[in-house]
Amino acid sequence: NAGVTQTPKFRVLKTGQSMTLLCAQDMNHEYMYWYRQDPGMGLRLIHYSVGEGTTAKGEVPDGYNVSRLKKQNFLLGLESAAPSQTSVYFCASSRQGRNEKLFFGSGTQLSVL
Amino acid sequence: AQSVTQLGSHVSVSEGALVLLRCNYSSSVPPYLFWYVQYPNQGLQLLLKYTSAATLVKGINGFEAEFKKSETSFHLTKPSAHMSDAAEYFCAVSANYGGSQGNLIFGKGTKLSVKP
Repeated sequence: NAGVTQTPKFRVLKTGQSMTLLCAQDMNHEYMYWYRQDPGMGLRLIHYSVGEGTTAKGEVPDGYNVSRLKKQNFLLGLESAAPSQTSVYFCASSRQGRNEKLFFGSGTQLSVL
Repeated sequence: AQSVTQLGSHVSVSEGALVLLRCNYSSSVPPYLFWYVQYPNQGLQLLLKYTSAATLVKGINGFEAEFKKSETSFHLTKPSAHMSDAAEYFCAVSANYGGSQGNLIFGKGTKLSVKP
């Protein structure tokens, strides 16, 4: 059972480049989330989805877009990367509500030069 | 709005000593409260959660936390630290709107070091 899988694990971008991070879960979970983790800041919610075809903004959505075309996948896009987006990105999923256990992927380390 | 404050960004204990990691929350409605642990180079894992069923919550790996409404606290404890407990611990809160729920808000984390 793979759980939550994130690709890629590491990426280096130049300012202005674009990229997409892929999150896949095999647990048939309804809810999926994208967080960023910065030193001393904890985890901050970027965007989330409460079901296939739905997305919503979290705490820090600016500069990011997301899509959930299939229930098992949640994509996070950076259209024009900035150094401030250097961070570790985590995807998570939960079965139904947000009071349920979140299952996290192992993270993507992104550096924007 | 909900918020959570973790007191102490770093805590160091000796192996076998009591572990106490502090978390205070702010919530205008009854909260859901969580503790997650992150081992190096991994994602977060749920340790335990409070959802109003009982004020003392037992989690995995011998950890427990007590919900104290009067103190708006949800401190994490373990009677005897093991070397394998060295990790970063995150307290989190979400709002309980009586059936629906707000998004999870994480604290800034506390790194636990365990000395031999």
